[in-house]
Amino acid sequence: GAVVSQHPSRVICKSGTSVKIECRSLDFQATTMFWYRQFPKKSLMLMATSNEGSKATYEQGVEKDKFLINHASLTLSTLTVTSAHPEDSSFYICSADGTSGGPYEQYFGPGTRLTVT
Amino acid sequence: AQSVTQLGSHVSVSEGALVLLRCNYSSSVPPYLFWYVQYPNQGLQLLLKYTTGATLVKGINGFEAEFKKSETSFHLTKPSAHMSDAAEYFCAVRAYNNNDMRFGAGTRLTVKP
Repeated sequence: GAVVSQHPSRVICKSGTSVKIECRSLDFQATTMFWYRQFPKKSLMLMATSNEGSKATYEQGVEKDKFLINHASLTLSTLTVTSAHPEDSSFYICSADGTSGGPYEQYFGPGTRLTVT
Repeated sequence: AQSVTQLGSHVSVSEGALVLLRCNYSSSVPPYLFWYVQYPNQGLQLLLKYTTGATLVKGINGFEAEFKKSETSFHLTKPSAHMSDAAEYFCAVRAYNNNDMRFGAGTRLTVKP
């Protein structure tokens, strides 16, 4: 089946530094990837939709200059949290649109736990 | 726009008992509906989905859900709960003609021995 990986699975960084999270579709090509943020004991909040070769579409209230998204290839999207602060600590999950499971099937990565100290 | 409401943020059942997790959706166009399960510190795993066709959908781990258009519902059931079913469950909806997926708030299932 379709597999999506994320790297790293956990990261701790100091306040003011930047962190990059990678999302890869391992056995299929994904023209569209999604980035979600999940607060403790809460649902997933869509942050942005990432389309290969074009600018990402951000949801209302998400700072595009703080959460930089790059979708340089059909198998890789990256999320960079710039000048991270403790309030950016969260669980970040990516997903990729695939066609092997049927139309509009999303496959989710295992998530990245970001802790900003 | 689509939205999902999950009734009950926490459901507790005894091992062997029926599991019923409720989900109601709102969509102005024909919806695609999904149930995902999430274990602690992990991503989401698809349990089952409804796109078209048969309204009773069977998924993995003995779960099933029925799409009821008249009730705008897609409740998840399992006849007999197992300890390993304890997790967070999310209902999600997306329109048939776009890739914008919206999640419910989630329901935490606890299974008592």
